[in-house]
Amino acid sequence: AIRITQSPSSLSASTGDRVTITCRASQGISSYLAWYQQKPGKAPKLLIYAASTLQSGVPSRFSGSGSGTDFTLTISCLQSEDFATYYCQQYYSYPWTFGQGTKVEIK
Amino acid sequence: QVQLQESGPGLVKPSETLSLTCTVSGGSISSYYWSWIRQPPGKGLEWIGYIYYSGSTNYNPSLKSRVTISVDTSKNQFSLKLSSVTAADTAVYYCARLKTPLTVAARLGAFDIWGQGTMVTVSS
Repeated sequence: AIRITQSPSSLSASTGDRVTITCRASQGISSYLAWYQQKPGKAPKLLIYAASTLQSGVPSRFSGSGSGTDFTLTISCLQSEDFATYYCQQYYSYPWTFGQGTKVEIK
Repeated sequence: QVQLQESGPGLVKPSETLSLTCTVSGGSISSYYWSWIRQPPGKGLEWIGYIYYSGSTNYNPSLKSRVTISVDTSKNQFSLKLSSVTAADTAVYYCARLKTPLTVAARLGAFDIWGQGTMVTVSS
């Protein structure tokens, strides 16, 4: 199975900050990567698919980039509602696998 | 808009079979792929498997020997059965819809609609 390593595992930031989260795949996955946001007690929400395509209804402050093995999720101007845990997921090959998550906390 | 709702027992005894159903409302189950994902308390996400409305399936090899996913199009539902459960199967179980790829060349795999999740505890 393809291993996905997310970094950092947690970070503290302030409203208005620019935040970057990274995922690295254990082998090349082309652009078959999705990003999700999960708030406590809630289901994950799809933010980005195909590495850089914004899901309908997701604010444009979220962006994704990368291909091959290295990917980035950027939140350009952190809002209060963005404090959550973020997961990446590869769907290049079975079994589909997720990163371990990055918790974005209030500084 | 399409909504998903999981249902089933919240407590299952060790060695027994976990059974959950996901009801799709606000849209048809047809022409889409549907999946189950789980999340142990305080941990990350694990993909369990998916089913197409026609009945074809794909399972995570780590669970394949114990998993069955089925679909009932007449009820707009799909279901999960996980046999011989242990405490390691304690988790929140989510059902989800797979986003239809935008092009023929693109791959299936992003989950665009999720149920709220249901906690299943394995304990005697």
